[in-house]
Amino acid sequence: EAGVAQSPRYKIIEKRQSVAFWCNPISGHATLYWYQQILGQGPKLLIQFQNNGVVDDSQLPKDRFSAERLKGVDSTLKIQPAKLEDSAVYLCASSFGDRGREKLFFGSGTQLSVL
Amino acid sequence: GNSVTQMEGPVTLSEEAFLTINCTYTATGYPSLFWYVQYPGEGLQLLLKATKADDKGSNKGFEATYRKETTSFHLEKGSVQVSDSAVYFCALGQGAQKLVFGQGTRLTINP
Repeated sequence: EAGVAQSPRYKIIEKRQSVAFWCNPISGHATLYWYQQILGQGPKLLIQFQNNGVVDDSQLPKDRFSAERLKGVDSTLKIQPAKLEDSAVYLCASSFGDRGREKLFFGSGTQLSVL
Repeated sequence: GNSVTQMEGPVTLSEEAFLTINCTYTATGYPSLFWYVQYPGEGLQLLLKATKADDKGSNKGFEATYRKETTSFHLEKGSVQVSDSAVYFCALGQGAQKLVFGQGTRLTINP
């Protein structure tokens, strides 16, 4: 079974530039999550999709972050413009359903450095 | 809101030592509890879980018991190996609410 695919693996940009991350979840998984993991902290949910609809984006900084999952499969997360505090690992995860007891499958993440 | 608190790291042990990583949570009702592990250069993966009080999750020699009375889900292993070196995250899930993670505990096992 193929896992959650993310790209790029690393990205270095200057502040005020834009950046995009891509995620392809496990086939058949309806729920897709984007998490932000700042060094030394646990992952924090940015946005959760159920198929192509947004379930929870309460912690997404909507003035600069956007995400879409147009066909209910792969997803992109964009930051525009980036700030220094956006330096983090961006994790994509997927699960079959959306219940709190579901097992999440994580990708390897994209490490973003904003200079 | 729901929250998870883990013991501060990093934790360094010798091979074959006994491991405990403490985790306590705050939630109403009966959440599901998880331990995720992140090996160097890899994504998080589920280590074990428990979905109701007094359940014990176990995997790869690790165990954790869901204690409602102390709101805890401590991770234990009787004899650690070098290959257990990783970052361990306690997490809580409830209903349709987002999974909430603790801050993580970095474990290093020396041979």
